[in-house]
Amino acid sequence: GQQVMQIPQYQHVQEGEDFTTYCNSSTTLSNIQWYKQRPGGHPVFLIQLVKSGEVKKQKRLTFQFGEAKKNSSLHITATQTTDVGTYFCGYIRGSQGNLIFGKGTKLSVKP
Amino acid sequence: NAGVTQTPKFRVLKTGQSMTLLCAQDMNHEYMYWYRQDPGMGLRLIHYSVGEGTTAKGEVPDGYNVSRLKKQNFLLGLESAAPSQTSVYFCASTYYTGGTEAFFGQGTRLTVV
Repeated sequence: GQQVMQIPQYQHVQEGEDFTTYCNSSTTLSNIQWYKQRPGGHPVFLIQLVKSGEVKKQKRLTFQFGEAKKNSSLHITATQTTDVGTYFCGYIRGSQGNLIFGKGTKLSVKP
Repeated sequence: NAGVTQTPKFRVLKTGQSMTLLCAQDMNHEYMYWYRQDPGMGLRLIHYSVGEGTTAKGEVPDGYNVSRLKKQNFLLGLESAAPSQTSVYFCASTYYTGGTEAFFGQGTRLTVV
């Protein structure tokens, strides 16, 4: 089964509010990736984190990788309706290239 | 540059019928993956391939077979479709594992009645 837990499963926010989704693993991860899937669309790569404690920003999005490399977060500041979608974290399991995803967090934004 | 192309985009099957989903990528990627997406279940890995001529089982391989005869193509087969295989199927590819982003196809919506 999946080794990462992604929370929350759903989040409803008012436009302008902040949003955070978390990805938690029971084991150390070599790296973690984040993807966004718009309604009716396909997952699109956002970013990859590889270093302990790494923080990366993309405009209103901030991505963090925990010091122990067991958890990660995606924070969106001042959400907009264009942020609607499902956000997935993904990681490589084992040495053979399994690209595994969390169950995702579905974000809805009320104008 | 087409990226990752899946065919067909939609399909309705009767229980017991067979079909093959085709994934083609033109980025010279080594790794290719097949996922299924069901409500509340996220993306679950069915099978994957780390190179031409190789395949491996993912998280939910039962009821599916795959082949990677050519580097650019990854085929997913359903020999005897069941209603439980109603899902949206996504193919993805990466240049190599652990270091680069995965590119996804547009998805195939399969309904088994």
